[in-house]
Amino acid sequence: NAGVTQTPKFQVLKTGQSMTLQCAQDMNHNSMYWYRQDPGMGLRLIYYSASEGTTDKGEVPNGYNVSRLNKREFSLRLESAAPSQTSVYFCASSPTGFEQYFGPGTRLTVT
Amino acid sequence: GQQLNQSPQSMFIQEGEDVSMNCTSSSIFNTWLWYKQDPGEGPVLLIALYKAGELTSNGRLTAQFGITRKDSFLNISASIPSDVGIYFCAGLDNTNAGKSTFGDGTTLTVKP
Repeated sequence: NAGVTQTPKFQVLKTGQSMTLQCAQDMNHNSMYWYRQDPGMGLRLIYYSASEGTTDKGEVPNGYNVSRLNKREFSLRLESAAPSQTSVYFCASSPTGFEQYFGPGTRLTVT
Repeated sequence: GQQLNQSPQSMFIQEGEDVSMNCTSSSIFNTWLWYKQDPGEGPVLLIALYKAGELTSNGRLTAQFGITRKDSFLNISASIPSDVGIYFCAGLDNTNAGKSTFGDGTTLTVKP
């Protein structure tokens, strides 16, 4: 099992460009999450999906959209990237909504 | 929103020493989780606590769910160089099922 996979691993965008971060899990988990991690800070929840077909806002949803494409895949879209969105983005999944399993992260720089 | 205060922010210790870190909250949580993040990687779950007063071990790691449900503690015994990393606590309550609140992390450095 690959666990949680994320693509791309690194990305540089110019202000105003758009992009989609991809996440997939092969553990048959119901819940999936997107977080951002800024230097010296913990993880802040952007959006989550408790089950296929549902999505909810987290702590910092502004500037992002998500799609729960199927049970395996949960994508995060930046429609118009801003320098404040420079961060490391982590996707996670959970079988129960409690313990979470994280992917390796996408390092995004917006210039 | 809910906030967790995690301390200390960083620790520099000698190999072989024991380590203690904790998380406190102004809110009650029903579940406490501890994760470790190695440089350049995603966090990995170390210990999950589901009941107030619960004490759980995982090898050299021991974590406790505070009796007030507003705090949790993680101890590492006989530290080794591979313990280096950032340790995060996370709390969940029943009103926000699925939404974990994370502390800002404790960065651990172990000197050989």
